[in-house]
Amino acid sequence: QVQLVQSGAEVKKPGASVKVSCKASGYTFTSYDINWVRQATGQGLEWMGWMNPNSGNTGYAQKFQGRVTMTRNTSISTAYMELSSLRSEDTAVYYCASSPYCSGGSCYSGYDYWGQGTLVTVSS
Amino acid sequence: DIQMTQSPSTLSASVGDRVTITCRASQSISSWLAWYQQKPGKAPKLLIYKASSLESGVPSRFSGSGSGTEFTLTISSLQPDDFATYYCQQYNSWLLTFGGGTKVEIK
Repeated sequence: QVQLVQSGAEVKKPGASVKVSCKASGYTFTSYDINWVRQATGQGLEWMGWMNPNSGNTGYAQKFQGRVTMTRNTSISTAYMELSSLRSEDTAVYYCASSPYCSGGSCYSGYDYWGQGTLVTVSS
Repeated sequence: DIQMTQSPSTLSASVGDRVTITCRASQSISSWLAWYQQKPGKAPKLLIYKASSLESGVPSRFSGSGSGTEFTLTISSLQPDDFATYYCQQYNSWLLTFGGGTKVEIK
């Protein structure tokens, strides 16, 4: 079965960077885009961007342009999301998500598969 | 970016009630809309895709309709397990966006 397993919780100081990993199993890693979604405590879902593990191509929400980088290591079926210049407003749970119907930035369905979430806390 | 507006933001209902949630897009997204259910501390769960297609394993009391800019999620008879927050998501373009969410509470 498809599984996305994320790295553990992080505590960072303002101005620092954080890198969250998402290890995929149960399917061919390069077949589906990996998307990243975050959720501040008590708030809604916020889409951050996508990465195609085959090509490495990415697409980021305008809000995160210049601060987010999505990469992958195909040899270990793992995707990464790095967010820099952290501020308190970046405190949130970060999810990776995928679908067999999302590739190359085009989706024909919602996200069937989600990681368990990674809490990133930004505090001085 | 396409903006997604959900209403209401909170809804109080009783078990057995028929519940309808609305999602409006700032421009036409054809039928490229998904609905998710999220419970506290859990990742969202896909309920509906392509506006009206029921995800495998999702109870038939959930249904979706609409196209263009207006969409609805309906729960025909609310069950105790359905008290949760619901989100719409458009995937018309590679810039995806979510609605603000609708919390369904016990009346």
